[in-house]
Amino acid sequence: DAGVTQSPTHLIKTRGQHVTLRCSPISGHKSVSWYQQVLGQGPQFIFQYYEKEERGRGNFPDRFSARQFPNYSSELNVNALLLGDSALYLCASSPSGRGGTDTQYFGPGTRLTVL
Amino acid sequence: KQEVTQIPAALSVPEGENLVLNCSFTDSAIYNLQWFRQDPGKGLTSLLLIQSSQREQTSGRLNASLDKSSGRSTLYIAASQPGDSATYLCAERAGNNRKLIWGLGTSLAVNP
Repeated sequence: DAGVTQSPTHLIKTRGQHVTLRCSPISGHKSVSWYQQVLGQGPQFIFQYYEKEERGRGNFPDRFSARQFPNYSSELNVNALLLGDSALYLCASSPSGRGGTDTQYFGPGTRLTVL
Repeated sequence: KQEVTQIPAALSVPEGENLVLNCSFTDSAIYNLQWFRQDPGKGLTSLLLIQSSQREQTSGRLNASLDKSSGRSTLYIAASQPGDSATYLCAERAGNNRKLIWGLGTSLAVNP
């Protein structure tokens, strides 16, 4: 059974460009969360979606947006890229939106480099 | 402010040693605490999840404990192997929004 998948694995963009990252959760999982991990730091929470609705948002600017599709896959969009957006973007899925009991399963991440 | 602290930041041990990684958290309204492993440049692998009602969880050579009163969790690795070399992160789920609060990780090197 496939785990969480993310695409692309690596991406190079220039400042000011737009990027879309994609995530497919484990089959049967309805919740997807996005994290940004800058080199040498722990992951920072960006968004959580459950049943296509936003359940949580971290402290990120409005340049960051996301959505979840009827098949529970998700996209993270970042506009007007800055050098500081260079990071590993991680997607995690969990069976439900109940944050208190669910284990999160992470994908391999998308490495974004902004030049 | 919710914080998670991991000590030590880095650890190097010879193969076969038993070792303990520490994680401290400030939010006592904890729902669960999860330990992850991350290999260089890779995503995160969940190792153990301890619910707030539990004291410990075990998986193979790994044992994680949770002490809510002191705000601490430990990850015990028995008979360490070179393949255990990775960064180990702990994350607390707490607060009204129940989001994960992450430590910076402990970078472990197990030398053959």
